[in-house]
Amino acid sequence: KQEVTQIPAALSVPEGENLVLNCSFTDSAIYNLQWFRQDPGKGLTSLLLIQSSQREQTSGRLNASLDKSSGRSTLYIAASQPGDSATYLCAARPVDTGNQFYFGTGTSLTVIP
Amino acid sequence: GAVVSQHPSWVICKSGTSVKIECRSLDFQATTMFWYRQFPKQSLMLMATSNEGSKATYEQGVEKDKFLINHASLTLSTLTVTSAHPEDSSFYICSAPSQGALLGQYFGPGTRLTVT
Repeated sequence: KQEVTQIPAALSVPEGENLVLNCSFTDSAIYNLQWFRQDPGKGLTSLLLIQSSQREQTSGRLNASLDKSSGRSTLYIAASQPGDSATYLCAARPVDTGNQFYFGTGTSLTVIP
Repeated sequence: GAVVSQHPSWVICKSGTSVKIECRSLDFQATTMFWYRQFPKQSLMLMATSNEGSKATYEQGVEKDKFLINHASLTLSTLTVTSAHPEDSSFYICSAPSQGALLGQYFGPGTRLTVT
């Protein structure tokens, strides 16, 4: 069964700093990996989706990379802002489980003004 | 982009009663939907896969008689928590996979259930 972990569990940075969130998955046979943002008490907002054939995806200040062979993905946030404060979740879709996604444990990010 | 809605967004019920949560895909059809549960400060845990026209598939440890799932149409799946207890209090989120080539998922806004 696919296991997805995220490091660190919590991160606090001053505004303007660049930061990296890490996501690891045990089974490299995936269709894609998706990064989400979740604000307290709210649902999920999709940030970036990386297909298994891709190495990275970019959207604004966000850049996500994927290294399938090593079972790792990173989410890079440039010039962090207080509005970026939220929990970030990664989810991997294994090849052999249909449309099911396995979620990581999440990283709680606080950007200090 | 595709939208998935949930209703209600929050509900408070008494112990022993049943609660129904609806998940709708608003502008696309979904033969499969997923139900997740999230406890405070924890990640999402898949509960079951809802299949239109057939029985739901439950994850290990999830009681199918307690969490009834009905995929009534290509745009609607419902989760009914029967005989709810305080330990069922949680955040329930549904999702539906994209029909396009990207094969991502669209998530509903979630339903906060509190059982008193």
